[in-house]
Amino acid sequence: QVQLVESGGGVVQPGRSLRLSCSASGFTFSAYAIHWVRQAPGKGLEWVAVISFDGINKYYADSVKGRFTVSRDNSKGTLFIQMISLRAEDTAVYYCARDSGKFGWGYFDYWGQGTLVTVSS
Amino acid sequence: QSVLTQPPSASGTPGQRVTISCSGSSSKIGSNIVNWYQQLPGTAPKLLIYSNNQRPSGVPDRFSGSKSGTSASLAISGLQSEDEADYYCAAWDDSLNGVLFGGGTKLTVL
Repeated sequence: QVQLVESGGGVVQPGRSLRLSCSASGFTFSAYAIHWVRQAPGKGLEWVAVISFDGINKYYADSVKGRFTVSRDNSKGTLFIQMISLRAEDTAVYYCARDSGKFGWGYFDYWGQGTLVTVSS
Repeated sequence: QSVLTQPPSASGTPGQRVTISCSGSSSKIGSNIVNWYQQLPGTAPKLLIYSNNQRPSGVPDRFSGSKSGTSASLAISGLQSEDEADYYCAAWDDSLNGVLFGGGTKLTVL
């Protein structure tokens, strides 16, 4: 069965960096775009970024553009997001979600369980 | 502030039918498919409706979606207590090259 497992969350000071991972199994990882979606405590869902199936096309929300970088290793079935210059407002549960297609404008058909990032001094 | 507008809350009694609206603009809902996600308390979101009105396998037919112009709706008939959750609409935004979520609607079953 399709599984997405996020890891790498934790407490980090403002201005520091963190890298999250999303390990995929149960499907052909290299055939699908994957998204990052976050949810601040008590708030709604916010789309963060998407990477196409081949890693070539990447799009970001304005709120993270220039600070977050998404990448993938298709040989290992793993998605990453490198986050730098973290701010308090980046505090959220970060989910990876599989897109239904190759490029990212489909729908999120599978979600991970999320990993919590807390930016605090 | 989300540019896909949903009512913040909705409610109904068991057995009732409730609808949740989602409105946007031509570059969002107007030209792209709308998808709906259900988030039960303390859990990750789950796909509920895709491509405006399609149900994934396992989703009861009590849930239905529709779209007209720049608005979409989620309808839940025969409301059950386990339907109490947050519901989000989402659509690709051509102008931003990204996905927009509605602000979410908290459904309470009275």
